[in-house]
Amino acid sequence: QVQLQESGPGLVKPSETLSLTCTISGGSISGWYWSWIRQPPGKGLEWIGHIYYRGSTNFNPSLKSRVTISLDTSKEQFSLNLYSVTAADTAVYYCASFYSSSQNYFDYWGQGTLVSVSS
Amino acid sequence: SSELTQDPAVSVALGQTVRITCQGDSLRNYYASWYQQKPGQAPVLVIYGEDNRPSGIPDRFSGSNSGSTAYLTITGAQAEDEADYYCSSRDSSGNLVLFGGGTKLTVL
Repeated sequence: QVQLQESGPGLVKPSETLSLTCTISGGSISGWYWSWIRQPPGKGLEWIGHIYYRGSTNFNPSLKSRVTISLDTSKEQFSLNLYSVTAADTAVYYCASFYSSSQNYFDYWGQGTLVSVSS
Repeated sequence: SSELTQDPAVSVALGQTVRITCQGDSLRNYYASWYQQKPGQAPVLVIYGEDNRPSGIPDRFSGSNSGSTAYLTITGAQAEDEADYYCSSRDSSGNLVLFGGGTKLTVL
């Protein structure tokens, strides 16, 4: 059973960089897209982007200019950097594994971590 | 297409059947997946592919598709099914991932 755990600061100042790490345990990195999803308070889910286990990335066009996602296979971790944050980036951030073939779905999710953007 | 559209809210009487819809052009090419989210919890996958349930999901949950619309059906809704439900799919290009806006299900 794959388990995912987000970690990182819960408070980030405006204009700074939001950095989160997701630790993967109980499964293989191979074959999956490793994803970040966020949910502003009281709102719906927003896909941020993902990194394939081979290293290629895709991002939500609305965030693409401010986002990087990286994968460290040796540590079994992947990370999110969101640059130049504003209050609109306040959200619960989830990491998740995305299986993609003829069927596409997020099968495992982290518990989520609330990141607030405030001075 | 870059959108999946869901009704914001749906209600169902206890024990009755409810169908939640998700509309989008990308659904003509890609199956939707469905997620249940209860307050303060992470989403949980309930349906994927043509009509597949992960282990542990009750068989009262089922999925279907017609053209550009995907459906999540709960047959015999229980009180514990009250939650937000989100659909998701690849976009038409196949490179991105979309979420619907979510449907709040109330069990009366």
